[in-house]
Amino acid sequence: GAVVSQHPSRVICKSGTSVKIECRSLDFQATTMFWYRQFPKKSLMLMATSNEGSKATYEQGVEKDKFLINHASLTLSTLTVTSAHPEDSSFYICSARSTGTRGFNEQFFGPGTRLTVL
Amino acid sequence: QQQVKQSPQSLIVQKGGISIINCAYENTAFDYFPWYQQFPGKGPALLIAIRPDVSEKKEGRFTISFNKSAKQFSLHIMDSQPGDSATYFCAAAAGSNYQLIWGAGTKLIIKP
Repeated sequence: GAVVSQHPSRVICKSGTSVKIECRSLDFQATTMFWYRQFPKKSLMLMATSNEGSKATYEQGVEKDKFLINHASLTLSTLTVTSAHPEDSSFYICSARSTGTRGFNEQFFGPGTRLTVL
Repeated sequence: QQQVKQSPQSLIVQKGGISIINCAYENTAFDYFPWYQQFPGKGPALLIAIRPDVSEKKEGRFTISFNKSAKQFSLHIMDSQPGDSATYFCAAAAGSNYQLIWGAGTKLIIKP
């Protein structure tokens, strides 16, 4: 199946710093990528939808100035958590929707990034 | 109307038994119903998916049953194995971006 990678897998940072998480579709092009946040023992919460070359669409309650999303190419989207605080600690997961013949409507998920803000 | 309700919250099944997880939805515009499997510390992985034009889809030990009139769908895991122990999420989608609406998840434990 299609492969989506995330980097880094784990990051620990000090309060007030910014952290960038990369999401790459390795063997397919993705016109649409999604960013999720997941709290322990909870379901995935959609943060934003990003389409290549355009501004991301944020879900209600998600601060766009805090969670900056850039979808610069068909294989790369980045999430930057700006001025991170301990309450931003979470598991962040991206997914990519295939644009080709490989299951057009399927979302393929990355392995996630565990962010811990001290 | 956008919700997907999943039950049970947790499930314990003996090895070799059948695991059954249920989901219900309200929005009749949904036209894609995937099931995802997630292990601790990992991202979800697509297990099996169905569209409303069929009532059942089987892939190996995994079967989705779909009841369009009742707006319900379920995942059956036959001959459940300890390696199936994971959290399972149902979801539903509609619209051009196929944004997924997620169920709350079911933690499945298969006892050896």
